[in-house]
Amino acid sequence: GEDVEQSLFLSVREGDSSVINCTYTDSSSTYLYWYKQEPGAGLQLLTYIFSNMDMKQDQRLTVLLNKKDKHLSLRIADTQTGDSAIYFCAETSTDKLIFGTGTRLQVFP
Amino acid sequence: KAGVTQTPRYLIKTRGQQVTLSCSPISGHRSVSWYQQTPGQGLQFLFEYFSETQRNKGNFPGRFSGRQFSNSRSEMNVSTLELGDSALYLCASNEAGVPDTQYFGPGTRLTVL
Repeated sequence: GEDVEQSLFLSVREGDSSVINCTYTDSSSTYLYWYKQEPGAGLQLLTYIFSNMDMKQDQRLTVLLNKKDKHLSLRIADTQTGDSAIYFCAETSTDKLIFGTGTRLQVFP
Repeated sequence: KAGVTQTPRYLIKTRGQQVTLSCSPISGHRSVSWYQQTPGQGLQFLFEYFSETQRNKGNFPGRFSGRQFSNSRSEMNVSTLELGDSALYLCASNEAGVPDTQYFGPGTRLTVL
């Protein structure tokens, strides 16, 4: 099926690291994406990883990809209150994106 | 470059009416995709247009249709609106389609009463 799974909620203290996990379904996905959605807004592309990579780092963001287990994670270092949002992972499948259910990240002081 | 723009940002309609939403892609982008976002179903793919042709379609009824113009701008139409059509409709563009990175607009919030 086309179910990309994510945990629904994550709560972290400001300054700590956040890890958001995603399990995807299509092993032929060329790219895997992380998008951020703030209240009332559209989707903001955060980062992506090509399927032949294991890791990608972009400033505070680290993406890890385990193709064997079809597991993708996004680590946010030094999480700030401005990082509070919903985070979606997405896989590419036959000319469209299949999105996960989204993880709501809440950052408290 | 300007980002993806969508108009209108908010819309209120009643059941049975029809609605047209507009999306202007990033300059130079020829692929436009539409997604529906609802609390219950999450983000679901509607359709994708490339060079005025629909290349891919999601699992939505025929009441949902779209088109793309020669300048790559796209419109989405929903006829005979139902309460369940209330959603955030997001448009995304890129140069040539998935798997290349898609850039999203702010969305149109449609409320059906």
